[in-house]
Amino acid sequence: RKEVEQDPGPFNVPEGATVAFNCTYSNSASQSFFWYRQDCRKEPKLLMSVYSSGNEDGRFTAQLNRASQYISLLIRDSKLSDSATYLCVVTHTGFQKLVFGTGTRLLVSP
Amino acid sequence: NAGVMQNPRHLVRRRGQEARLRCSPMKGHSHVYWYRQLPEEGLKFMVYLQKENIIDESGMPKERFSAEFPKEGPSILRIQQVVRGDSAAYFCASSPQAGTSGRESSYEQYFGPGTRLTVT
Repeated sequence: RKEVEQDPGPFNVPEGATVAFNCTYSNSASQSFFWYRQDCRKEPKLLMSVYSSGNEDGRFTAQLNRASQYISLLIRDSKLSDSATYLCVVTHTGFQKLVFGTGTRLLVSP
Repeated sequence: NAGVMQNPRHLVRRRGQEARLRCSPMKGHSHVYWYRQLPEEGLKFMVYLQKENIIDESGMPKERFSAEFPKEGPSILRIQQVVRGDSAAYFCASSPQAGTSGRESSYEQYFGPGTRLTVT
């Protein structure tokens, strides 16, 4: 079983739609949580950190449920430019290496 | 503030040759990480370095791979006697020192554009 699991998608949505991605992690010692986005053949870019209280950045909302070891990302009012692969990422206590999920691909169409 | 820089962006090597990949972290960042992304796979951690020290190399293959981050100059990931299975995108990331003030967390890592290694 992979340490960080994501639905690979693709999620095909029209512009303006709301889409939600889910992620589960297996290591209860995981300490920090992030969403990154990766465009085709490009480097991952940090989208947002995920805090226990939940956090919002414009159209993006991230939630963390430590008890269920579950992380979510909600994108409202999808834009064409949101088309990318969204990577769920965790780190462990005492270590700084990032553990990546394989990503969920999003395709936003006109 | 220039981002993380990597060079070369593309590298072609024949089987058995050596590959050297370079990474310059963001200004003010002293932690460097190397990740590998095989075709159609997720990113996998390889090694974490601070200046002149390897902190965690648990993701490095046991043979042929080495990494360094000297006091002066970029971090280098070196692959000796490359094989076709080494073909991948190699990404470097950096993060600031622990305790940096502001929004930026010491655990937030920023990635360079990557080096795409092709072994023929």
